[in-house]
Amino acid sequence: AQSVTQLDSHVSVSEGTPVLLRCNYSSSYSPSLFWYVQHPNKGLQLLLKYTSAATLVKGINGFEAEFKKSETSFHLTKPSAHMSDAAEYFCVVSGGSNTGNQFYFGTGTSLTVIP
Amino acid sequence: GAGVSQTPSNKVTEKGKYVELRCDPISGHTALYWYRQSLGQGPEFLIYFQGTGAADDSGLPNDRFFAVRPEGSVSTLKIQRTERGDSAVYLCASSLQTSGTDTQYFGPGTRLTVL
Repeated sequence: AQSVTQLDSHVSVSEGTPVLLRCNYSSSYSPSLFWYVQHPNKGLQLLLKYTSAATLVKGINGFEAEFKKSETSFHLTKPSAHMSDAAEYFCVVSGGSNTGNQFYFGTGTSLTVIP
Repeated sequence: GAGVSQTPSNKVTEKGKYVELRCDPISGHTALYWYRQSLGQGPEFLIYFQGTGAADDSGLPNDRFFAVRPEGSVSTLKIQRTERGDSAVYLCASSLQTSGTDTQYFGPGTRLTVL
């Protein structure tokens, strides 16, 4: 079975400081992992995805994530937070083609950026 | 190009009524997914279609929920005898295929409120 655990429900950082949003996954086989962002009253937007190629994945808006199989982690980072980064972030593991690729979402991390 | 669209954006109904929620996927995407997002939670899988057929409806909570995709494009999620607990944001997503690595593109959602 596939699942993800987002270790922090809320993260607060000052503008210009690094961002770290933590995610651990559980999967019965090599997973595909995604990070999505959801701004208030907006749809879910893909930030980046890991699909068994390079373990360090770069996404949009300066975000990146590193797949660490030994730690079953896929943490999201950004060197310098902007005010526009304030949003809800979801870590997602794919069920894989055997299950039609349904997505399993974490419970989300709300990021606050303090000016 | 056009993304996934959902109508209506908001729906308020009374307990016991019937509602239909519509999803227009990205043109050419064969896979279509429905998710439900309750307040403060991550989206949860309801059903997915590969073409016209519902390939997996294991996430539908009970037999009051039903979805169709008669021509392999637009999909309608139907809820009979609505209950207050059905209040949530209903999200639709589409992807090119159902490969485990495919990105799902999400619509803005329909916010359903059952009074």
